[in-house]
Amino acid sequence: EVQLVESGGGLVQPGGSLRLSCAASGLTFSSYSMNWVRQAPGKGLEWVSYISRSSSTIYYADSVKGRFTISRDNAKNSLFLQMNSLRAEDTAVYYCAELDYGDGYWGQGTPVTVSS
Amino acid sequence: EIVMTQSPLSLPVTPGEPASISCRSSQSLLHSNGNNYVYWYLQKPGQPPQLLIYLGSNRASGVPDRFSGSGSGTDFTLKISRVEAEDVGVYYCMQPLQTPPYTFGQGTKLEIK
Repeated sequence: EVQLVESGGGLVQPGGSLRLSCAASGLTFSSYSMNWVRQAPGKGLEWVSYISRSSSTIYYADSVKGRFTISRDNAKNSLFLQMNSLRAEDTAVYYCAELDYGDGYWGQGTPVTVSS
Repeated sequence: EIVMTQSPLSLPVTPGEPASISCRSSQSLLHSNGNNYVYWYLQKPGQPPQLLIYLGSNRASGVPDRFSGSGSGTDFTLKISRVEAEDVGVYYCMQPLQTPPYTFGQGTKLEIK
């Protein structure tokens, strides 16, 4: 069974930082490009960042560019999102997800709340 | 950036009746390989999105055959032949063709009458 398990979310003050992790199991993680997608409370889905299988290609949404950094460790089957200079509008559930191959793997999400 | 526009945004349906959701993209999602790069997801209450349809018309693993996807170019449709109570949730279309960014539709909330 494929599992993607996010962790690292929580309550943080504006301007603070968080590091999200996504632990993958049951799949050949290194064969998949991966993404972070977020969902603000009561809102729709917003793509945040993409990383290719070998980490050679990385993309960010304009809303997070310069503040967020995506990375992966294929040896440890893990995906990461370093989030700095957090703002109230970054409050959301963050999902790691496979969006390109038709397998449709998503984690359960980890909530991030940015508030003073 | 490709904009994905769904309609309707709210869809009340009687169990056993059919339902249809439209998704229009601002640019063609038809690749030269003949595939239409549109995916459909269902997000049930309190759950992450689950993939229903990929590449326009292919049902994902385990998806009931009452779900079908059709369309080409810029106009796409998700159809449910007979709605069941478990189909309640928000349906999203998404394009992974011209990235970044990956873009989602606004969502269509299906509810049971």
